[in-house]
Amino acid sequence: GAVVSQHPSWVICKSGTSVKIECRSLDFQATTMFWYRQFPKQSLMLMATSNEGSKATYEQGVEKDKFLINHASLTLSTLTVTSAHPEDSSFYICSARDGTSRDTQYFGPGTRLTVL
Amino acid sequence: QKEVEQDPGPLSVPEGAIVSLNCTYSNSAFQYFMWYRQYSRKGPELLMYTYSSGNKEDGRFTAQVDKSSKYISLFIRDSQPSDSATYLCAMSSYYNAGNNRKLIWGLGTSLAVNP
Repeated sequence: GAVVSQHPSWVICKSGTSVKIECRSLDFQATTMFWYRQFPKQSLMLMATSNEGSKATYEQGVEKDKFLINHASLTLSTLTVTSAHPEDSSFYICSARDGTSRDTQYFGPGTRLTVL
Repeated sequence: QKEVEQDPGPLSVPEGAIVSLNCTYSNSAFQYFMWYRQYSRKGPELLMYTYSSGNKEDGRFTAQVDKSSKYISLFIRDSQPSDSATYLCAMSSYYNAGNNRKLIWGLGTSLAVNP
């Protein structure tokens, strides 16, 4: 149980284009989903928290107009990196909380974004 | 001072060794403590979850929480090469607001178990 999927697993795009990453909870309903980015050999950096049906809460320093988050249903959240630049290249990971186990988050496999 | 401190290692042990991984924290309000394992280029996987103080055992893994010392540990018995990964501690406070309650993460300790 508690499986989270992400799509795509990797993506290469040109600078200036937008990329959408999907995060799905497959066998549970996720009232809250989290988006992280991770640079090589570094820990997870929380970007934003999204609750189903409401606006995402962004961490300090994260541009909400650049990283668009939509949590349209209890099983799907999307992160769109708009006008991507090479410095946006990173490993993006989503997680979901199932609402029954306090504060445990189940992670997706991650999406590696490379912006040329 | 960071809220959660974790030695990034790397830690290298022979197969079969007992591994001890640790985190210290400064926020006495933390009550939920987790250990995650992350293989290279993969998302973290929840290993252990502990509420408040005490020990919890699951197979070869034991998690300990000492709230008086603000110190948590993960022990791995009979370590295997397949245990080679980065281990991250995470914790949260009951008093963080609502559903946006977020985890505070350690940097992660890189572990290599050598055959």
